[in-house]
Amino acid sequence: GDSVTQMEGPVTLSEEACLTINCTYTATGYPSLFWYVQYPGEGLQLLLKATKADDKGSNKGFEATYRKETTSFHLEKGSVQVSDSAVYFCALSDKQGAQKLVFGQGTRLTINP
Amino acid sequence: GAGVSQSPSNKVTEKGKDVELRCDPISGHTALYWYRQSLGQGLEFLIYFQGNSAPDKSGLPSDRFSAERTGGSVSTLTIQRTQQEDSAVYLCASSFVQGNEQFFGPGTRLTVL
Repeated sequence: GDSVTQMEGPVTLSEEACLTINCTYTATGYPSLFWYVQYPGEGLQLLLKATKADDKGSNKGFEATYRKETTSFHLEKGSVQVSDSAVYFCALSDKQGAQKLVFGQGTRLTINP
Repeated sequence: GAGVSQSPSNKVTEKGKDVELRCDPISGHTALYWYRQSLGQGLEFLIYFQGNSAPDKSGLPSDRFSAERTGGSVSTLTIQRTQQEDSAVYLCASSFVQGNEQFFGPGTRLTVL
């Protein structure tokens, strides 16, 4: 079945550092790809998405590009802030049927001032 | 506007007891999903409702788990004869239609003693 593998954490960086969280997927079709974020004490919320190859999703300074050739959707940010500290989940959904989300294991990110 | 709400926020129960978890989706959202977030399994899909169609129950881990959605709105997830491995955070999400962004509730943390 479909699956998502993402970089294990925890990841600790200093403020203004560059961030990359790796995500690769296995799917039989051409899924939609997502990054969700869970801030401390809050629910899951969509950070960005891409629905087809070479699409770039972006939000709050974060970017991820749908790479079909490498089946990847790495999350990047050029300069992180303390407020970016959260757990990040890579996910995919099939474009047919229930379109349920299949999640990676999550990566806990801590940004130190 | 109001987001997805879930109740109770925390539930502690004894092994063997039945529990009911409730989800109120965003008004007008026709698609409703239940997921489970546990230490061992990460975030996993449980069940999906879309309008009046038969639900997709493919993620339910055993026949002790069931869910219903009355009137196309509120949903209840029932776990019978709870086991310790059922301890997890149960998340509900809704979307306008399947394939659109899923909005998550804050979850119900279930602890089975």
